[in-house]
Amino acid sequence: DAGVIQSPRHEVTEMGQEVTLRCKPISGHDYLFWYRQTMMRGLELLIYFNNNVPIDDSGMPEDRFSAKMPNASFSTLKIQPSEPRDSAVYFCASTSPRLGGEQFFGPGTRLTVL
Amino acid sequence: SQKIEQNSEALNIQEGKTATLTCNYTNYSPAYLQWYRQDPGRGPVFLLLIRENEKEKRKERLKVTFDTTLKQSLFHITASQPADSATYLCAYLHGSSNTGKLIFGQGTTLQVKP
Repeated sequence: DAGVIQSPRHEVTEMGQEVTLRCKPISGHDYLFWYRQTMMRGLELLIYFNNNVPIDDSGMPEDRFSAKMPNASFSTLKIQPSEPRDSAVYFCASTSPRLGGEQFFGPGTRLTVL
Repeated sequence: SQKIEQNSEALNIQEGKTATLTCNYTNYSPAYLQWYRQDPGRGPVFLLLIRENEKEKRKERLKVTFDTTLKQSLFHITASQPADSATYLCAYLHGSSNTGKLIFGQGTTLQVKP
């Protein structure tokens, strides 16, 4: 299995631009999570989905952030407009209850907003 | 508010010694607690999960304890090796299910010197 796949691995953009991060979970996993990691705040959950339905989006910072999961094998996290304080590493993770709680993380997308 | 705290200072130990990392949580009584390892530039990797009714869990050179009275988990690596150098994150599951929202600590960086 290829594991959780994220793209792009690195993104540099200018303030005000739209950014779209992509994630392909492990096949057969029905939970998908989006996290953000910064030095100041550590690893924080932004939103998670179960069977493509958003369950908890209380970690989404503000209306500039949106996430979708149109099918079981694809999810996007969009930031519009982006701001310098959005600079962070964004991780996607997936799991299934039959796995006993272990979450499988992707390699992350390092976002820099200038 | 719910908090989970790890020693933010790096832990430096000599090869062959036992490393002990601490995780404390407040204002919540989790049913599950997990430990992850994170190497620079990579996503976290699951190591162990312990349930509230389990005092101790072992996996090879790793041991985790869970003291619900002290609201604390200890993570031990015995016979440590330089390859164990990484950042270790503890996290608890929010809710009674073994799948869902993970609240992470800031992580403790372990450096094992040969």
